[in-house]
Amino acid sequence: GQQLNQSPQSMFIQEGEDVSMNCTSSSIFNTWLWYKQDPGEGPVLLIALYKAGELTSNGRLTAQFGITRKDSFLNISASIPSDVGIYFCAGMKTSYDKVIFGPGTSLSVIP
Amino acid sequence: GAGVSQSPSNKVTEKGKDVELRCDPISGHTALYWYRQSLGQGLEFLIYFQGNSAPDKSGLPSDRFSAERTGGSVSTLTIQRTQQEDSAVYLCASSLFRGAAYNEQFFGPGTRLTVL
Repeated sequence: GQQLNQSPQSMFIQEGEDVSMNCTSSSIFNTWLWYKQDPGEGPVLLIALYKAGELTSNGRLTAQFGITRKDSFLNISASIPSDVGIYFCAGMKTSYDKVIFGPGTSLSVIP
Repeated sequence: GAGVSQSPSNKVTEKGKDVELRCDPISGHTALYWYRQSLGQGLEFLIYFQGNSAPDKSGLPSDRFSAERTGGSVSTLTIQRTQQEDSAVYLCASSLFRGAAYNEQFFGPGTRLTVL
């Protein structure tokens, strides 16, 4: 069954707007990951989080590792057309565990 | 340097036929992973290789699915007697190794399989 839930499923926003999406689980994860998948490509790692409460930025992207270790958030500021794609959260319950992916949030940016 | 490559990029087959999907990982990466991505779904783990051995094949959906890796490099995912529900994008990823902390997985572009 689905171990990670992402919301929203899809978003349509105007260029320049900020975006927030989140990922939740009923289980505790020790590592949270955010990936982006462009159409026709494989996912690419955006941000990795290793510690509860950790807040990490990568350019216009900011992600947080929730303090309960059961959720994570990704924010994109001042969206641009190339932000279009599917954003996957992923997590690992232990360091040696397999990576579990969420179902993704599809982002569309209207110029 | 070259990333992960997969071939073919698209495969259309008839129900009941066997298919082979190929993955060329990044040179020097000892860990290799296969995932399946169905329409509107996340990535479903299939199998993981460390070198030529597969310590975790728990995600293979049935005995029609098998994979091998030779020379610690190229991997082939084989689906026998394909069914329509096998239609999906099959993604391969590689990482330096799998150990005490997350090693970034680098993904190939995937093979889109359509079973008619």
